[in-house]
Amino acid sequence: SQTIHQWPATLVQPVGSPLSLECTVEGTSNPNLYWYRQAAGRGLQLLFYSVGIGQISSEVPQNLSASRPQDRQFILSSKKLLLSDSGFYLCAGNSGLSYEQYFGPGTRLTVT
Amino acid sequence: RKEVEQDPGPFNVPEGATVAFNCTYSNSASQSFFWYRQDCRKEPKLLMSVYSSGNEDGRFTAQLNRASQYISLLIRDSKLSDSATYLCVVYTGRRALTFGSGTRLQVQP
Repeated sequence: SQTIHQWPATLVQPVGSPLSLECTVEGTSNPNLYWYRQAAGRGLQLLFYSVGIGQISSEVPQNLSASRPQDRQFILSSKKLLLSDSGFYLCAGNSGLSYEQYFGPGTRLTVT
Repeated sequence: RKEVEQDPGPFNVPEGATVAFNCTYSNSASQSFFWYRQDCRKEPKLLMSVYSSGNEDGRFTAQLNRASQYISLLIRDSKLSDSATYLCVVYTGRRALTFGSGTRLQVQP
């Protein structure tokens, strides 16, 4: 079974600072990978998904970007954080053979 | 209209009670359906898939009604450990899942 790793678990960053969140996957090859954001008390919003190395689809226009430099690595970045970027960021993956997604433990980001 | 709608609750029930949640979805072309469980400040975890014929996993039963476009989750003999937010999730064929905002369940002693 696949395992999704994310770090850091919590992060406090000032407005205007850069961001890099990393997600790695083990236990499967060529997974589909996803970045979601969950604002406090709200549902999950899909930000990006990737079906392979270098292939990124963006669901919502914003000041975030994503990259997939390796098959099992997915990175979420920002050059300048906004207050509205605060939230719980979750990386998820599935094997492509099923639609069920499995989540990493998430990063709780607070922009101050 | 939201793609996936759920009653946010909270549903406050005593231990041992039976509780049911419903969820409606708007896209009639939706292909697959799931219930996830999310504990406070944790990641969502897959509880069960929902099959057209209905399926059961221990105390949990999921049903799908394609004609009315709703999904249900029944929890029998509620435990304190069942307290969580239950997310209704739909796959519509765009490679990603669409999540409802969740229904909060609080099981009380």
